[in-house]
Amino acid sequence: EAGVVQSPRYKIIEKKQPVAFWCNPISGHNTLYWYLQNLGQGPELLIRYENEEAVDDSQLPKDRFSAERLKGVDSTLKIQPAELGDSAVYLCASSLRRGIAGELFFGEGSRLTVL
Amino acid sequence: GNSVTQMEGPVTLSEEAFLTINCTYTATGYPSLFWYVQYPGEGLQLLLKATKADDKGSNKGFEATYRKETTSFHLEKGSVQVSDSAVYFCALSSSGSARQLTFGSGTQLTVLP
Repeated sequence: EAGVVQSPRYKIIEKKQPVAFWCNPISGHNTLYWYLQNLGQGPELLIRYENEEAVDDSQLPKDRFSAERLKGVDSTLKIQPAELGDSAVYLCASSLRRGIAGELFFGEGSRLTVL
Repeated sequence: GNSVTQMEGPVTLSEEAFLTINCTYTATGYPSLFWYVQYPGEGLQLLLKATKADDKGSNKGFEATYRKETTSFHLEKGSVQVSDSAVYFCALSSSGSARQLTFGSGTQLTVLP
């Protein structure tokens, strides 16, 4: 079974440029998450989807960040414009609504460097 | 709000040494507790979990016991291997929001042969 797939793995951009990350969750997983992981820190939730509905986006900085999960499968996280402080790893995870509570399956992450 | 505090790393041990990584938490209600592990070049994966006080989670020789009286969930392994080298994250989910995890900052473990 394929795991959570993210792309790109690495992205280097200059500040004020836009950037987008893509995530394909495990087939059949209803719930999709985007997490932000700063260096030396644990992941922090940005947004959670149940199917195509964003049910928790309270931590998403909506002035520059946006996300979508059309058709309730894969998802895109966008930053526009990027700032130096956005340099981090962006993690995507998925889970089954009826799976083990708290068991999330993570992708390898997309590492963003903003110059 | 919810928070998780882990012992700071990095931790370096020799093979077959005993491992303890401390984790304490602050949460309302009755959280579930987790340890996730991130091996080099891979995504985080669930290592073990405990859903109520005095539960012991175990997997791959690792154990952790949910101690409500001390709000702790320390990770232990009796004899570590080189292949255990990874970053370990303690996490909790509060009752009522079981699919939203709060993570600690992670502890880097290196096991030397």
